[in-house]
Amino acid sequence: GENVEQHPSTLSVQEGDSAVIKCTYSDSASNYFPWYKQELGKRPQLIIDIRSNVGEKKDQRIAVTLNKTAKHFSLHITETQPEDSAVYFCAASSNAGNMLTFGGGTRLMVKP
Amino acid sequence: KAGVTQTPRYLIKTRGQQVTLSCSPISGHRSVSWYQQTPGQGLQFLFEYFSETQRNKGNFPGRFSGRQFSNSRSEMNVSTLELGDSALYLCASSFNPGQGDETQYFGPGTRLLVL
Repeated sequence: GENVEQHPSTLSVQEGDSAVIKCTYSDSASNYFPWYKQELGKRPQLIIDIRSNVGEKKDQRIAVTLNKTAKHFSLHITETQPEDSAVYFCAASSNAGNMLTFGGGTRLMVKP
Repeated sequence: KAGVTQTPRYLIKTRGQQVTLSCSPISGHRSVSWYQQTPGQGLQFLFEYFSETQRNKGNFPGRFSGRQFSNSRSEMNVSTLELGDSALYLCASSFNPGQGDETQYFGPGTRLLVL
């Protein structure tokens, strides 16, 4: 089955700096890669996603890049703000259905 | 549209008991997936239902089961509860997975504590 590894497990940055979180996946059939943000005590919320026919996608301060050959994808957050502090999860799925395999999560702390 | 809802939000049970959790998807969504979230194992896929049929299943024992009704609402059941079943159980709904519309929207979760 699919295996998704996520690094780093914790990340501390100063407000205004950029943050990068990296994930690797094992199943070459995976073609959908969402990123979720989960604040303490709340539900995971989708912040951006990318499909395998696209190499990069941006949404304001957030961008995701995908390298299918190397089987890795990354989340980039620019101009970080204290409200970006949360746990971020990457995930992967294939056309076999709606089964998301999640990475272990990254706790991002943005210091004011 | 109203978001995904789950009931109950909190539950305390003792070992050996069984529990049923409920999930109401976003209106129009036909797929419901269930996940278990624990500090040690992270977010793990349990199963997915689409049009009342289980389409995918994760690596959980048979004590974990589910079903989906004709209105797309879903329930999951855990029998013979063990201490290790203590977790946040999340459901997520999506419109038409595998057809270019895989976005999953999560509910608030049911926090289960097994004593």
